[in-house]
Amino acid sequence: QPVLTQSSSASASLGSSVKLTCTLSSGHSSYIIAWHQQQPGKAPRYLMKLEGSGSYNKGSGVPDRFSGSSSGADRYLTISNLQSEDEADYYCETWDSKVFGGGTKLTVL
Amino acid sequence: EVQLVESGGGLVQPGGSLRLSCAASEFTFSSYWMSWVRQAPGKGLEWVANIKQDGSEKYYVDSVKGRFTISRDNAKNSLYLQMNSLRAEDTAVYYCAMRVTTIEWWGQGTLVTVSS
Repeated sequence: QPVLTQSSSASASLGSSVKLTCTLSSGHSSYIIAWHQQQPGKAPRYLMKLEGSGSYNKGSGVPDRFSGSSSGADRYLTISNLQSEDEADYYCETWDSKVFGGGTKLTVL
Repeated sequence: EVQLVESGGGLVQPGGSLRLSCAASEFTFSSYWMSWVRQAPGKGLEWVANIKQDGSEKYYVDSVKGRFTISRDNAKNSLYLQMNSLRAEDTAVYYCAMRVTTIEWWGQGTLVTVSS
């Protein structure tokens, strides 16, 4: 079973960009992952599915400001032109949905 | 748009039972794997169980094996989670989720509180 590692927190200024990282454990670097956003007090929302090649498919209604990329065992979520509503917890998840990362709390300054 | 609506949560005493339901609509329910995911107060997401389209395969996190049972009724477009022998550490918001390789849709969640 893979382990997904995320930084516990991140911060960036309004209008800037931020890159969040989800790292797959050894032996699982080819895994597809998904990124989910959870705004305060709300249910999670699917953002995108991201392959090891860097190819990604976004969910319905996800703004163009959200993009994904990959490098080895690392899966990235980049948010450009940060808005106040992007302040949320961000979780990564493995392809079989059995493992979640610990989540990154993003603060928009 | 996909709709997943959970119900059945509430306050239950330790050792008690509860059955959660998830009503699905606006997609072909019988074509997708489904999941239950929970989130304890102030904590991260934890996968609980998965079930295959026809119910022939079921998987559980170790902490609920033998106590929880996931099931589905494709004729009723419904997903269930039967929870027995509940413990304080089962207190969480329980989310129903639809999977296409990974989770792609989430319900709004239902709160289960296990306390005397």
